[in-house]
Amino acid sequence: EIVLTQSPGTLSLSPGERATLSCRASQSVSSSYLAWYQQKPGQAPRLLIYGASSRATGIPDRFSGSGSGTDFTLTISRLEPEDFAVYYCQQYGSSPRWTFGQGTKVEIK
Amino acid sequence: QLQLQESGPGLVKPSETLSLTCTVSGGSISSSSYYWGWIRQPPGKGLEWIGSIYYSGSTYYNPSLKSRVTISVDTSKNQFSLKLSSVTAADTAVYYCARHWRQEGYFDYWGQGTLVTVSS
Repeated sequence: EIVLTQSPGTLSLSPGERATLSCRASQSVSSSYLAWYQQKPGQAPRLLIYGASSRATGIPDRFSGSGSGTDFTLTISRLEPEDFAVYYCQQYGSSPRWTFGQGTKVEIK
Repeated sequence: QLQLQESGPGLVKPSETLSLTCTVSGGSISSSSYYWGWIRQPPGKGLEWIGSIYYSGSTYYNPSLKSRVTISVDTSKNQFSLKLSSVTAADTAVYYCARHWRQEGYFDYWGQGTLVTVSS
């Protein structure tokens, strides 16, 4: 099983600032099969990024993903008020055991 | 616009079987491009993939839950279902149904989720 470790656990930032979220895998994620999701309280997760760096339909370009192998990053270039939420990474390169990270909360400073 | 909606009992007794159904609207569950999956989230915790099914009935499950999980599909009703047997309090969670591409396992459409509590 590939374990995904997200850091930091909580990120305290102000609107307009840049957010950098990390997702580290316990072993290499094949074909960069890594996705990022945003979840707000009481809502289902929303797909942001797939294939490590491809934005999902309708996702603003302030969200970007990068990385390969075991180290991946989600960057939010300038935080908007609606971006304060919990973010999860997910690997889907190791079938049939897809796994999620434990989440990073981006909160208003 | 594709929509998924979970339905089923919100309270299940320990040792019994949890049963949920996901109804898909705005698209066909019989599309050759997609699998349909279940994911759960215990209160205040992270996400866990449970398993996925293709319209043909082909399934694959999370090995940690495989012995207790059955996922089935009813193409005539555009629905797929989850059964989780011998539940305990640890199975209390919000259960989501979602869609993923056949070739890739990222989930692009999700239901709103339904809370299932295991308690006597």
